[in-house]
Amino acid sequence: GAVVSQHPSWVICKSGTSVKIECRSLDFQATTMFWYRQFPKQSLMLMATSNEGSKATYEQGVEKDKFLINHASLTLSTLTVTSAHPEDSSFYICSASSPTGTSYEQYFGPGTRLTVT
Amino acid sequence: LAKTTQPISMDSYEGQEVNITCSHNNIATNDYITWYQQFPSQGPRFIIQGYKTKVTNEVASLFIPADRKSSTLSLPRVSLSDTAVYYCLVVGNSGYSTLTFGKGTMLLVSP
Repeated sequence: GAVVSQHPSWVICKSGTSVKIECRSLDFQATTMFWYRQFPKQSLMLMATSNEGSKATYEQGVEKDKFLINHASLTLSTLTVTSAHPEDSSFYICSASSPTGTSYEQYFGPGTRLTVT
Repeated sequence: LAKTTQPISMDSYEGQEVNITCSHNNIATNDYITWYQQFPSQGPRFIIQGYKTKVTNEVASLFIPADRKSSTLSLPRVSLSDTAVYYCLVVGNSGYSTLTFGKGTMLLVSP
């Protein structure tokens, strides 16, 4: 149980275009989802916390107008990278907390590799 | 949030027991200790979580001394497939706590 999927698994886009990444909880409802970014050889860095039906909470230094997060349902959160640039190339990972689970066990998606050319 | 410190890397051989120690001197009373495993180009996977003393599941054991300022993840009889980065995190139990990942420990298991 507790499976989180992401789509696409990898994407290549041109500089200046926008890319949407989906995060789905497949077998549970997630009131809270998290978005992370991971650069090569580095650790995961939390970008934002996404709550169903409300605005996302962004970490310091993350541009909310560039990284648009929508959590319209209890099973889907989306991250849109607007006007992507090569420096946005990274591995984006989402995670979800289940209302019936413990707060200290999050379920992670497989990640999305974004390459901006 | 309590900061964690763990070795950058460790080497082992197949069949050996591996112990990865993490220090978290500023852990709060309500904090739990959680370990995640991450393979390249994959999302982290939950391994084990504990509050005090010893916790064991089918893949690992977690040892936490009485002062809770450190913890040790023990992987029995590692195999090549255990080569991964292991993250130690300290997480609060209030609401949906955010996770702060440190640098992790890169474990390399050789034949």
